[in-house]
Amino acid sequence: DAKTTQPPSMDCAEGRAANLPCNHSTISGNEYVYWYRQIHSQGPQYIIHGLKNNETNEMASLIITEDRKSSTLILPHATLRDTAVYYCIVRVDADYKLSFGAGTTVTVRA
Amino acid sequence: EPEVTQTPSHQVTQMGQEVILRCVPISNHLYFYWYRQILGQKVEFLVSFYNNEISEKSEIFDDQFSVERPDGSNFTLKIRSTKLEDSAMYFCASKSGTSGTDTQYFGPGTRLTVL
Repeated sequence: DAKTTQPPSMDCAEGRAANLPCNHSTISGNEYVYWYRQIHSQGPQYIIHGLKNNETNEMASLIITEDRKSSTLILPHATLRDTAVYYCIVRVDADYKLSFGAGTTVTVRA
Repeated sequence: EPEVTQTPSHQVTQMGQEVILRCVPISNHLYFYWYRQILGQKVEFLVSFYNNEISEKSEIFDDQFSVERPDGSNFTLKIRSTKLEDSAMYFCASKSGTSGTDTQYFGPGTRLTVL
């Protein structure tokens, strides 16, 4: 799987959008970008994934650059409950495992 | 919404004892996984399981570990002789198929403490 690079931490104000960057410059054509988060010591929670196009669901939006070398996860209106570690993972189609890095620790402040 | 469940939530055991961690994956899923997370460290892949056999395992998953799907609904992780360094959160995950759009869904985890 391609490696990903994320900032170790970031703060966000409650009610504002949180923009989480991820670099994956060695991504190949059949690799998807997945985002998960982990709140405290709970199980990782799936957020969103995409291949080429931008994606949106009830939790977040995923913006993938045209060259696919980077992406941004957007939490449109961050709440205190969004405080978590966010993981950007690049996964090959039909690959069996997820490889977690250190992720970005996001702290939402009131 | 379907979810992965795990029992127990917390298991305390003595070093050298056997433990079995249990998971009930989402009902129509075909692929099953175990991951672990030592306190303060990254989530690490242990093993994947499909069609009643291991499809991939990590270096961590040595002869002390085994997995089983005994009854078509449960998926278990057994550690034969626990060591202090096995203390960690253990997460079970499942996904439906092999498509790149298939998502792994995780359970809440079992905290294993080896004394």
